[in-house]
Amino acid sequence: NAGVTQTPKFQVLKTGQSMTLQCAQDMNHNSMYWYRQDPGMGLRLIYYSASEGTTDKGEVPNGYNVSRLNKREFSLRLESAAPSQTSVYFCASSGSRTGAQPQHFGDGTRLSIL
Amino acid sequence: DQQVKQNSPSLSVQEGRISILNCDYTNSMFDYFLWYKKYPAEGPTFLISISSIKDKNEDGRFTVFLNKSAKHLSLHIVPSQPGDSAVYFCAASPGNKLVFGAGTILRVKS
Repeated sequence: NAGVTQTPKFQVLKTGQSMTLQCAQDMNHNSMYWYRQDPGMGLRLIYYSASEGTTDKGEVPNGYNVSRLNKREFSLRLESAAPSQTSVYFCASSGSRTGAQPQHFGDGTRLSIL
Repeated sequence: DQQVKQNSPSLSVQEGRISILNCDYTNSMFDYFLWYKKYPAEGPTFLISISSIKDKNEDGRFTVFLNKSAKHLSLHIVPSQPGDSAVYFCAASPGNKLVFGAGTILRVKS
């Protein structure tokens, strides 16, 4: 009963390095999301994919790219990491394209950029 | 501009008493509201939701109230248990996205 699986769980990068965060869900959900959580700011949407083959920007997309590889997998890429991207990253999925269903979250990737 | 606000960063409650967590929103287009619970080093887990056509939804010890005219929702936990100690996030949806509040840390003392 995996749900949403994120890899890796922890990562330390140097400024300028690139990195891809992986996310996979086994619930046959249509929609997938990437958030970042910073202290005192809740979760902010980076990118989302309402269905396989589509992606859209969220609230804070600058410095990130995404790929919806197939229905199960949605990856987040940092091309040139910056210290401001130090955060906890959460992937989520939902069975609804319209938002009227809860999103289910993975346990997060803790990313530090030095 | 924060569209979803949780103005209390923390709340401390005695075991067995009621916990009331509050959330305010500014966008009239929000039509679906959710509460999530988060433990350290874990992802948020869905707790309870309410559609804008309702003013109350109940699930066991958890009840969510929605006051659309005041753009305010609240989560009541009765009775509170030590295992309820966590961060609670309010979220609102205008469609296929969620907008989250900053969270409230609930501590239930035994």
